[in-house]
Amino acid sequence: ETGVTQSPTHLIKTRGQQVTLRCSSQSGHNTVSWYQQALGQGPQFIFQYYREEENGRGNFPPRFSGLQFPNYSSELNVNALELDDSALYLCASSITWGKNTEAFFGQGTRLTVV
Amino acid sequence: GESVGLHLPTLSVQEGDNSIINCAYSNSASDYFIWYKQESGKGPQFIIDIRSNMDKRQGQRVTVLLNKTVKHLSLQIAATQPGDSAVYFCAETGRRALTFGSGTRLQVQP
Repeated sequence: ETGVTQSPTHLIKTRGQQVTLRCSSQSGHNTVSWYQQALGQGPQFIFQYYREEENGRGNFPPRFSGLQFPNYSSELNVNALELDDSALYLCASSITWGKNTEAFFGQGTRLTVV
Repeated sequence: GESVGLHLPTLSVQEGDNSIINCAYSNSASDYFIWYKQESGKGPQFIIDIRSNMDKRQGQRVTVLLNKTVKHLSLQIAATQPGDSAVYFCAETGRRALTFGSGTRLQVQP
């Protein structure tokens, strides 16, 4: 196991609702990145948090937002859910930013929007 | 790499044979390339990486080849086992983000 845990593992939401996904990073890691993986595709970068600040963002709208806490755990929030937001959401932690070769992924949260 | 939608390319091999999985990348400025294995219901798992100044790197039963001229990566798995069945992704590393290619599903036939 990687030491990166995500919760919940699965959830179902209705279009228009809001959702919060959680990630606990590996001990000693101060950087958390979030990815969206649609069915049959590779993960796509949403954003990264380093020491509680957003440290880079992919091509996702502002209704995707995040937080990182002093213990370096992180949340991904998605507002006004759309059907296309249905995907596996992955978080990855690394010892610091710029060390992507040493990033460890959690098992993901499967979000279904109906 | 381009998205292939719901239909991942599939490579089917016999147990014990060697497998070769290919990947094209787009950013010639990437420093590192990584191969990941993703089993059903799990997150991507690091297999091996290669720096852009190398053309070959070997691990345990795996070899990665990098051809910068044609922007092509390959992952070779020796003596493929049933436990190797998974989706394999190549990824380019940036300072912050990993950029994943479209995956390949490897099916190992007993």
